[in-house]
Amino acid sequence: EAEVAQSPRYKITEKSQAVAFWCDPISGHATLYWYRQILGQGPELLVQFQDESVVDDSQLPKDRFSAERLKGVDSTLKIQPAELGDSAMYLCASSLSSGTNYNEQFFGPGTRLTVL
Amino acid sequence: AQSVAQPEDQVNVAEGNPLTVKCTYSVSGNPYLFWYVQYPNRGLQFLLKYITGDNLVKGSYGFEAEFNKSQTSFHLKKPSALVSDSALYFCAVREDTGGFKTIFGAGTRLFVKA
Repeated sequence: EAEVAQSPRYKITEKSQAVAFWCDPISGHATLYWYRQILGQGPELLVQFQDESVVDDSQLPKDRFSAERLKGVDSTLKIQPAELGDSAMYLCASSLSSGTNYNEQFFGPGTRLTVL
Repeated sequence: AQSVAQPEDQVNVAEGNPLTVKCTYSVSGNPYLFWYVQYPNRGLQFLLKYITGDNLVKGSYGFEAEFNKSQTSFHLKKPSALVSDSALYFCAVREDTGGFKTIFGAGTRLFVKA
């Protein structure tokens, strides 16, 4: 069964350092999402790609976060510099895109970030 | 703006009893509604969705959900709970008006006791 891959699974860093997360969606999925999930809360969308284009990054803290999906396949989410409040689970998801809004999303296992 | 509410942080059920996990939503247009489950140390998994048509939707692992437009609810149900159903459940909503964002509820932790 095809899965969304994420790495690393765990990351510990000190504040002010740079971190990067990688995601490889299910083959053929044109839409890719990055979410942040704080313990005890639901996932919050950070950025959504349709192929290589950003379609929603309204909740992405652009002063320190960046995301790219250069060839419309895998994607990287970067934080520079990391702050204590960035400690969370970072989830990647993908879905088919047929011009509709009702395709379900397939999630990767997530990257748990701890900022010290 | 769209929103989702899961009024219960935790639901406790005895194995073999029916379970219900509640979800209410608010959207401007027509909703697309989803339920996802998160097991420990694993990513979210899709359970079921409502797009249009029959208000009772059946999904994975024996779960079903009932869409109620007048009450703006989409409660998740299962006739007979299993201990293995213990997990974190998330309701999510998307509008049909061309908006791209999926809004997730805060989640409800289900405990099924043997």
